[in-house]
Amino acid sequence: QKEVEQDPGPLSVPEGAIVSLNCTYSNSAFQYFMWYRQYSRKGPELLMYTYSSGNKEDGRFTAQVDKSSKYISLFIRDSQPSDSATYLCAMSARNSGYSTLTFGKGTMLLVSP
Amino acid sequence: GAGVSQTPSNKVTEKGKYVELRCDPISGHTALYWYRQSLGQGPEFLIYFQGTGAADDSGLPNDRFFAVRPEGSVSTLKIQRTERGDSAVYLCASSLTISEANTGELFFGEGSRLTVL
Repeated sequence: QKEVEQDPGPLSVPEGAIVSLNCTYSNSAFQYFMWYRQYSRKGPELLMYTYSSGNKEDGRFTAQVDKSSKYISLFIRDSQPSDSATYLCAMSARNSGYSTLTFGKGTMLLVSP
Repeated sequence: GAGVSQTPSNKVTEKGKYVELRCDPISGHTALYWYRQSLGQGPEFLIYFQGTGAADDSGLPNDRFFAVRPEGSVSTLKIQRTERGDSAVYLCASSLTISEANTGELFFGEGSRLTVL
């Protein structure tokens, strides 16, 4: 079992839909949780990060962390065609000095006009 | 430059050859990271520099892989005796300080796509 599991998709939705992306993890030492967006043939770019459990909202994006279930989510409201990309969850732990990220394999999202 | 710059963007080589991949981080960023992303997978950590020294090289798969950052800025990832399984996108990232890396705010380059025939 990999440390971080993420459904690769693709996930296809119509424009305006609410999108839910999820990851599960097995390492209870993870404390920082991040979502990166990666367009085709580009590097990942940070969307959001959260520390420990809870919710965080930024515009159309909401990140949720449930440490008791080892489950994190990213919600995208009013999805746009420009949101079409691969979404990677990533995590880091104190015992690695927070210096290394463990990524999921990414979920490809396709938003059709 | 404004972002992390990686060269070459594409490299095709033959099995057994030596390859160097270069990363120019964002000016002033002290931490530099190399990750490898295989097709359909998320990035996997290779090595992390704080200044000139490799603070964590636990992700390097074997001794064919080596990375340097002699002046604390530009870094070179070196792969000896390349194998077909080394084919991947090699991503470089940088961040200002360890505390910023704590929040996962790494700034990635576009990667160097390596193909070993």
